[in-house]
Amino acid sequence: DAKTTQPNSMESNEEEPVHLPCNHSTISGTDYIHWYRQLPSQGPEYVIHGLTSNVNNRMASLAIAEDRKSSTLILHRATLRDAAVYYCILPMGGSQGNLIFGKGTKLSVKP
Amino acid sequence: KAGVTQTPRYLIKTRGQQVTLSCSPISGHRSVSWYQQTPGQGLQFLFEYFSETQRNKGNFPGRFSGRQFSNSRSEMNVSTLELGDSALYLCASSLWVGSYEQYFGPGTRLTVT
Repeated sequence: DAKTTQPNSMESNEEEPVHLPCNHSTISGTDYIHWYRQLPSQGPEYVIHGLTSNVNNRMASLAIAEDRKSSTLILHRATLRDAAVYYCILPMGGSQGNLIFGKGTKLSVKP
Repeated sequence: KAGVTQTPRYLIKTRGQQVTLSCSPISGHRSVSWYQQTPGQGLQFLFEYFSETQRNKGNFPGRFSGRQFSNSRSEMNVSTLELGDSALYLCASSLWVGSYEQYFGPGTRLTVT
């Protein structure tokens, strides 16, 4: 099963870009990389997912290393509302769609 | 489009009682998954329903059960409540079974005393 490693916490200043890393050295060739975030007192929120190429949507960008052993979620201009726990999620063997959440990275945004 | 709704939002029960939580998925979504979130164990998968059938189950005792109706709405039931069942119960919906793109509701905060 592919395992993910994320820093426990990160800090950012408001309106600056944030790069949230995730290592997944045992990823298999067909594993999509998903990112979720959980704002305080809310349910998790889907952010983005990708396979090989970099991906962009209205919330964030996902940069995937060429060897796919790591990825980076990029928030282009952090706002106070982006303060949350960010989870990098890969499929686990036999999980068939159930999300396996690790501890994630707690992002703090300073005004 | 309305998001996932869960009722009730807060609930207080006594040990030994049972509880039923309700989830209405996003319109058009046919799969509903349930998760439990506690400070100690984090977010853990309970089960997934699609077309009124349980398709996937996490590692929880049989006291935790669920069902899905023909309109895709889902309920989960916990019988013989224990103090350790105090948690935030989250429901997530997706278009298809096995999808990793899931949309979560705000959760039901259950407190067992």
